[in-house]
Amino acid sequence: QKEVEQNSGPLSVPEGAIASLNCTYSDRGSQSFFWYRQYSGKSPELIMFIYSNGDKEDGRFTAQLNKASQYVSLLIRDSQPSDSATYLCVVIRSASKIIFGSGTRLSIRP
Amino acid sequence: EAGVAQSPRYKIIEKRQSVAFWCNPISGHATLYWYQQILGQGPKLLIQFQNNGVVDDSQLPKDRFSAERLKGVDSTLKIQPAKLEDSAVYLCASRLALRGIYEQYFGPGTRLTVT
Repeated sequence: QKEVEQNSGPLSVPEGAIASLNCTYSDRGSQSFFWYRQYSGKSPELIMFIYSNGDKEDGRFTAQLNKASQYVSLLIRDSQPSDSATYLCVVIRSASKIIFGSGTRLSIRP
Repeated sequence: EAGVAQSPRYKIIEKRQSVAFWCNPISGHATLYWYQQILGQGPKLLIQFQNNGVVDDSQLPKDRFSAERLKGVDSTLKIQPAKLEDSAVYLCASRLALRGIYEQYFGPGTRLTVT
């Protein structure tokens, strides 16, 4: 079992719809969770972070965390073609344990 | 504020040769990371520094990879000798501090091709 698992995709979503990206993790001691976006050939950039159970909203993005079920998700509302990228789930277990998922490729079709 | 700088941006070498990458983090960032990202995969942490000390190098192939962060600022990552499977993008990232909810800022990466 991978420590951080994501569906590799591609996930195809029509423009204007909600894109839902999921991530599960294996270590119950994990403390904080980040979503990074990576365009092809570019470096990852932070979208959101969350560390408490529940939802956290920032503009069109909502991160959801459920520690009991060990999953974290990212919702993108009103999806735009510019949202087409790979989304990386990052789990921090302790100060020195940072684990990236393999990423979900999202494609927004016009 | 200047971002994380890396050089070179691209490097092509033959197997068994050596190569070195350089990273300059954001000013004041105590924590520095080197990642290896193979095409189609997420970044894999190679080594993590806090100032000039190593925090975690458990995934660094120490028989061929080495890294240092002298004076707690710039860092270099070296591969000697290189293998075909080392072909990847090497990302450097920095973070304000080791503990706390701080964002990692990534440099543009160095794309290494080993032939």
